Amino acid sequence: DAKTTQPPSMDCAEGRAANLPCNHSTISGNEYVYWYRQIHSQGPQYIIHGLKNNETNEMASLIITEDRKSSTLILPHATLRDTAVYYCIVRVCTHGSGNTGKLIFGQGTTLQVKP
Amino acid sequence: KAGVTQTPRYLIKTRGQQVTLSCSPISGHRSVSWYQQTPGQGLQFLFEYFSETQRNKGNFPGRFSGRQFSNSRSEMNVSTLELGDSALYLCASRTATSGANVLTFGAGSRLTVL
Repeated sequence: DAKTTQPPSMDCAEGRAANLPCNHSTISGNEYVYWYRQIHSQGPQYIIHGLKNNETNEMASLIITEDRKSSTLILPHATLRDTAVYYCIVRVCTHGSGNTGKLIFGQGTTLQVKP
Repeated sequence: KAGVTQTPRYLIKTRGQQVTLSCSPISGHRSVSWYQQTPGQGLQFLFEYFSETQRNKGNFPGRFSGRQFSNSRSEMNVSTLELGDSALYLCASRTATSGANVLTFGAGSRLTVL
């Protein structure tokens, strides 16, 4: 799995967009970018994933650069409840028998949303 | 739809004892993975089970073991507990045919070894 690099911490004002960067310069062609977050004392929560196109769901948007060497998770209107550790994970996505539930978590980015 | 349920949520053991943790996956999810989270090492993959078979294993000693039952419920066991086994143990489930790497985690079992 490609290695990811994230800033250890970031602050964001409540109501503003939170932009969390992730570098994955060694990503290979069949590896997806996944984002999870972990709110204090809870299990990690899946947010979004993508291969090369930008993705959006009800929680966030994922912007992947054209060369796929970096990506940004965007929380459009951060709230205090978005305070959490955000993990960027790069992983091959396979279906069927090759599918696996093994994820390699780094240290992530601690996002502090402030009033 | 019920989420992933882990029991017990908190427990305290002493060195040398053993512990068994339980995980009930989301209904219809046949794959269960286990992770250990400590302040020093972060989140680390322990093992994964699918259809009662271990499919993948992390780099943990043999004191850590698990199993999965025919109803997809899973248990993990840690024998001869050490102080360093104090951690949050997380279970995650997923469907096996779609949503690869999209895991749903439980709230975890927090183990303290004294």
